[in-house]
Amino acid sequence: ETGVTQSPTHLIKTRGQQVTLRCSSQSGHNTVSWYQQALGQGPQFIFQYYREEENGRGNFPPRFSGLQFPNYSSELNVNALELDDSALYLCASSQVPGDYEQYFGPGTRLTVT
Amino acid sequence: GENVEQHPSTLSVQEGDSAVIKCTYSDSASNYFPWYKQELGKGPQLIIDIRSNVGEKKDQRIAVTLNKTAKHFSLHITETQPEDSAVYFCAASTGDSTLTFGKGTMLLVSP
Repeated sequence: ETGVTQSPTHLIKTRGQQVTLRCSSQSGHNTVSWYQQALGQGPQFIFQYYREEENGRGNFPPRFSGLQFPNYSSELNVNALELDDSALYLCASSQVPGDYEQYFGPGTRLTVT
Repeated sequence: GENVEQHPSTLSVQEGDSAVIKCTYSDSASNYFPWYKQELGKGPQLIIDIRSNVGEKKDQRIAVTLNKTAKHFSLHITETQPEDSAVYFCAASTGDSTLTFGKGTMLLVSP
């Protein structure tokens, strides 16, 4: 069984740029959620994708957007990067939406300068 | 929305002692409560979870208790080992797509 994988592991961007982060879900999982974890904080829910549609969104502006592909992998896109976007971005997959177990990948560390 | 408070923020114990981490939640509709362990440079790892129809759940040295009336739940680790050192997060969900996390507890187990 393959776990959740994310790429890249680290990324440095300049304020105002755009970034795309990628996630492959655990085998057998069709739901992907994205979280932002600032240093010293718990993860904060950004949004979830199920069957290629957004299935819930947290308190994040529209410049945070996503996609899910037919193979259940997913992308997180952030436009017009701000310094406060510097964080660990985590992807989690689950078998179905709702309160089922979510399994996290190792994350992508994004630094905005 | 849901708010999860977690205490303490740091916890130091000697190897072999027990450790207890407590969380409270605000939304009485929450019905799923997982606990995650996060080691340095890694993503959170699900270690145990409990649903609102259960008061206690055990898995070897780890146990979780839930008090729905008081809206709090706790993680108990017995016979702690140095490899238990990590940041632990509690979370709550109402059954929608969202997990709301606490701010984490850094557990340090000294040999």
